Amino acid sequence: DGGITQSPKYLFRKEGQNVTLSCEQNLNHDAMYWYRQDPGQGLRLIYYSQIVNDFQKGDIAEGYSVSREKKESFPLTVTSAQKNPTAFYLCASSTGSRNTEAFFGQGTRLTVV
Amino acid sequence: DQQVKQNSPSLSVQEGRISILNCDYTNSMFDYFLWYKKYPAEGPTFLISISSIKDKNEDGRFTVFLNKSAKHLSLHIVPSQPGDSAVYFCAASDWAGSYQLTFGKGTKLSVIP
Repeated sequence: DGGITQSPKYLFRKEGQNVTLSCEQNLNHDAMYWYRQDPGQGLRLIYYSQIVNDFQKGDIAEGYSVSREKKESFPLTVTSAQKNPTAFYLCASSTGSRNTEAFFGQGTRLTVV
Repeated sequence: DQQVKQNSPSLSVQEGRISILNCDYTNSMFDYFLWYKKYPAEGPTFLISISSIKDKNEDGRFTVFLNKSAKHLSLHIVPSQPGDSAVYFCAASDWAGSYQLTFGKGTKLSVIP
């Protein structure tokens, strides 16, 4: 079955450590996205990539980094510079064309301890 | 500045009645609008969408209405079922913004049996 896989589902990190969240898709989608959800907030865009080896900052990119070395993969690194990293992180993908929906993974809950 | 607004954080409806979820937007560049349904600790799932060239789109129990002059859209669910209880996010795509989605903060719908 085609879809988007995020791993792990739950992640704990000590303050001051970097951590990488995995996102893989087998939908052959060109575009991939990372969103963050906080309680009472909508989904806020962290980074997006429309094509391999290219990515753009979203609204809240500070303290995060990404790479897009393969079409299928778009890992997100939460660095120690991110002041409030505890959140629910969602990865999505789409064809990148006009008037198309994005498909989401199941999310990763990151908790800083 | 929030470009997509869902002003009702929550809504309760009796089973079998109509649920109406509202969404307002401010960006005139938005030309494609989507509704997503989300359960706790899961990724959003796509529900229904509408292009700016239409004013109505229907899919089974779900209908989305778009009023471009008022920059307002609504999602109607008829009849409402207990399984519809979830958080509903309105999203919009900006044709000049690489088609990334901008989300509202969501409305939590509770359908009471």
